[in-house]
Amino acid sequence: KNQVEQSPQSLIILEGKNCTLQCNYTVSPFSNLRWYKQDTGRGPVSLTIMTFSENTKSNGRYTATLDADTKQSSLHITASQLSDSASYICVVSSSGGYQKVTFGTGTKLQVIP
Amino acid sequence: NAGVTQTPKFQVLKTGQSMTLQCAQDMNHNSMYWYRQDPGMGLRLIYYSASEGTTDKGEVPNGYNVSRLNKREFSLRLESAAPSQTSVYFCASSEFRQGRNTEAFFGQGTRLTVV
Repeated sequence: KNQVEQSPQSLIILEGKNCTLQCNYTVSPFSNLRWYKQDTGRGPVSLTIMTFSENTKSNGRYTATLDADTKQSSLHITASQLSDSASYICVVSSSGGYQKVTFGTGTKLQVIP
Repeated sequence: NAGVTQTPKFQVLKTGQSMTLQCAQDMNHNSMYWYRQDPGMGLRLIYYSASEGTTDKGEVPNGYNVSRLNKREFSLRLESAAPSQTSVYFCASSEFRQGRNTEAFFGQGTRLTVV
């Protein structure tokens, strides 16, 4: 069964600090991996997408890495801001169509002043 | 562009009542989806429509029906609501191009409570 596991479940960090969120997956065959940010009461918004051949992708202060051999991804947030407080969801697609998508349960990040 | 618009944003139903959740997108996407999000679980696909005129079941379709009214609109209907359908519902749309899905755009969600 395709699975996406994220850790930690929740995280509290001080404003200005860095943090790294983890994603392990067992989805096969692998097509791509996305990280989404979901603010409270809003729908998810895509941050990055990586395919099998990509091992790092940046979007401003967000940097995602992918190790397709170990089936692990991480999302690194640099110099955190209060607006980074949100849930971050790892989403893995298998080949063949969007319906073959597995969502992780997310990491809830709280940035405090 | 409004993106993906869902209505209503909040709804309370009594067990056994019916209702339709509306979704419209203005990005000319072919594919549209309905998900539910429950605490401690990832988003789960209820139904999807790969293109206008087609609909298919997702992971958790029981108790729901859908209609792809046209390219823009994809509605989700609960015929006889049950407390287990208390959830946050998200509509999304995307394109499928060159063997890959483009980014999915999500609506703001409908928070449904069935009492």
